[in-house]
Amino acid sequence: EDQVTQSPEALRLQEGESSSLNCSYTVSGLRGLFWYRQDPGKGPEFLFTLYSAGEEKEKERLKATLTKKESFLHITAPKPEDSATYLCAVQQEGTNDYKLSFGAGTTVTVRA
Amino acid sequence: DTEVTQTPKHLVMGMTNKKSLKCEQHMGHRAMYWYKQKAKKPPELMFVYSYEKLSINESVPSRFSPECPNSSLLNLHLHALQPEDSALYLCASSQVAHQPQHFGDGTRLSIL
Repeated sequence: EDQVTQSPEALRLQEGESSSLNCSYTVSGLRGLFWYRQDPGKGPEFLFTLYSAGEEKEKERLKATLTKKESFLHITAPKPEDSATYLCAVQQEGTNDYKLSFGAGTTVTVRA
Repeated sequence: DTEVTQTPKHLVMGMTNKKSLKCEQHMGHRAMYWYKQKAKKPPELMFVYSYEKLSINESVPSRFSPECPNSSLLNLHLHALQPEDSALYLCASSQVAHQPQHFGDGTRLSIL
């Protein structure tokens, strides 16, 4: 049973066209939700951690939000350099504290 | 540049060879991780070391043998690998549990 589902699988945007990525999770108790960015041939780059519903984090053109069932990653006025695969991962309460459950990712392509 | 350094960046080996992957971090993190990532898939956890002790082994075949010589170093010893073991092997570290994991850029492993 999938605990973390990301949508859409792929997103093609024009430069400046804002959009949102979704990460829904079904864990019974959320310890933390993490967003990563991964470029081809590179390791995931940490972006944000969210711990409780209502929390928001921002970094440049990216803003992450969290509810009790899902998280959104908003990309405002994207640039071509924002093209990457964005991964969402959750840590669940009551399990080993080190384990992350990853979603399959959303691949974002921003055209100039 | 990432703060988790992995060597080598690329490795090609035959099924009868023995080789090692190395990972180093100098952030003072006490947890270190090995992940395996296949193309267009999210990372899969293999091993976790916490305070230099093996904390998690995700039922990884014995042809993969982890070692944590000290708090900054993590090795993955490889022996008698199979073609399906070809993948990107990622190392990560975190301060402690529940904290964000920071990834290296991985070793691209090809088994002939």
